[in-house]
Amino acid sequence: DAGITQSPRHKVTETGTPVTLRCHQTENHRYMYWYRQDPGHGLRLIHYSYGVKDTDKGEVSDGYSVSRSKTEDFLLTLESATSSQTSVYFCAISDTGSGGGYTFGSGTRLTVV
Amino acid sequence: DQQVKQNSPSLSVQEGRISILNCDYTNSMFDYFLWYKKYPAEGPTFLISISSIKDKNEDGRFTVFLNKSAKHLSLHIVPSQPGDSAVYFCAASGTGGGGFKTIFGAGTRLFVKA
Repeated sequence: DAGITQSPRHKVTETGTPVTLRCHQTENHRYMYWYRQDPGHGLRLIHYSYGVKDTDKGEVSDGYSVSRSKTEDFLLTLESATSSQTSVYFCAISDTGSGGGYTFGSGTRLTVV
Repeated sequence: DQQVKQNSPSLSVQEGRISILNCDYTNSMFDYFLWYKKYPAEGPTFLISISSIKDKNEDGRFTVFLNKSAKHLSLHIVPSQPGDSAVYFCAASGTGGGGFKTIFGAGTRLFVKA
């Protein structure tokens, strides 16, 4: 029941390099989100989108940018990766944006060395 | 300042008994509260939610209770099964402060012993 896929699933990159993570959905949902999961912090919102080319910052947006040129794709870019951005990144989609549960992707494990 | 807090990092329960996971929040403007379940190497999956205008919602073995005056919610799992062993995230969502967002707690790892 994919509906939402993230790529790559794993990535190791060097400090200072740009990195782009992709989230692709086939559900035609309006809302898309990027979260990062870290021990002791749970899931923290990085950026979200409420429509094509409509995005806004979350609680931990510094060092990240996003783009959404099509309904189905939401890209997360680390402009210049740092070790503090080593994390598991989850994309989520929602059709209502309010109250209804999100559908999450399987995650991307990113290691910055 | 965490707006959604799960103060118990882990909980261990015997199979067949009740599991009670707790969550506290600070922002009165949240409209919905949700619970997600997460297995290792997978994304979280939505479990159950409750609107801020209700105090209880039940779905099979899972019941969520909301106490707005105390800004507290809990998830009850009865009876607990070994397959329930996972990390449970409490989440709160609303439009307060501009834009719509869902804030997650740090999670509670549940161990159900056979």
